[in-house]
Amino acid sequence: DAGVIQSPRHEVTEMGQEVTLRCKPISGHDYLFWYRQTMMRGLELLIYFNNNVPIDDSGMPEDRFSAKMPNASFSTLKIQPSEPRDSAVYFCASSGDTGTDTQYFGPGTRLTVL
Amino acid sequence: GQSLEQPSEVTAVEGAIVQINCTYQTSGFYGLSWYQQHDGGAPTFLSYNGLDGLEETGRFSSFLSRSDSYGYLLLQELQMKDSASYFCAVSGAGSYQLTFGKGTKLSVIP
Repeated sequence: DAGVIQSPRHEVTEMGQEVTLRCKPISGHDYLFWYRQTMMRGLELLIYFNNNVPIDDSGMPEDRFSAKMPNASFSTLKIQPSEPRDSAVYFCASSGDTGTDTQYFGPGTRLTVL
Repeated sequence: GQSLEQPSEVTAVEGAIVQINCTYQTSGFYGLSWYQQHDGGAPTFLSYNGLDGLEETGRFSSFLSRSDSYGYLLLQELQMKDSASYFCAVSGAGSYQLTFGKGTKLSVIP
C-alpha cells in the first residue's frame, strides 16, 4: 500500500485566500484524522471521521475551517479565509479497527499564509 | 479531558540507554502509544501498551503502569538516527482518537 497520501506537500498563500488540503487514507481504514502541528501548540487533533461521518470536530479552531469526507478514499480540509496564524503543518492520519488505535500519518502539508 | 507530561528535551550518548517518561491524566483510558517524528517528517508508530507491563520491539521497549498513570519509552543501543522527537499519546475508552503529549526531543551525540 502507498500509505496515506496528502497534497499539496507545500502551500504558500496570501492572507484571505482559500486553502484546500487533500488526503487519501490507506485503503480499508475506516478512521481518518486531521491534525495541525505547530511549535507552540504541538500536535492538535482538529477533526476525525469514522466511515466518512464526522465524529468529533471540537478541535476545529474556527468556522473558517471545514472538513469533508465524501467517500472512503478522500477527505479535504478547507480554510477560508486563511490567516497568518493558520501557518502550520497539517497531517492526515488513518486507522483501522486494530484494537491498538495505531494511526498512520501522511507526509503532511506545510502551509504558509503570508 | 486529557493531559500528558513528558520532558521537552533529552540528550544521550551513542550506544547508551535512554528512558523517556510520560505521565498522563485522563477521564477514560484505553492505551498508551509512542510515536517517533524526525525533523521534517511525519509521526510514525513505535509501540502500544494496553496492559501493565513491558512491551519490547527490538531496541525499543515501552512500559505502562495504569495505577500510576505512567509510562516510559526505553531506547537501547542508541544510534545517531534515533535523534528525533518522541511523543506519547493516550486513547480513551470507546474512542479511537489520540491525545498527544508535547513531545520529547532526543539528541544523540557521539
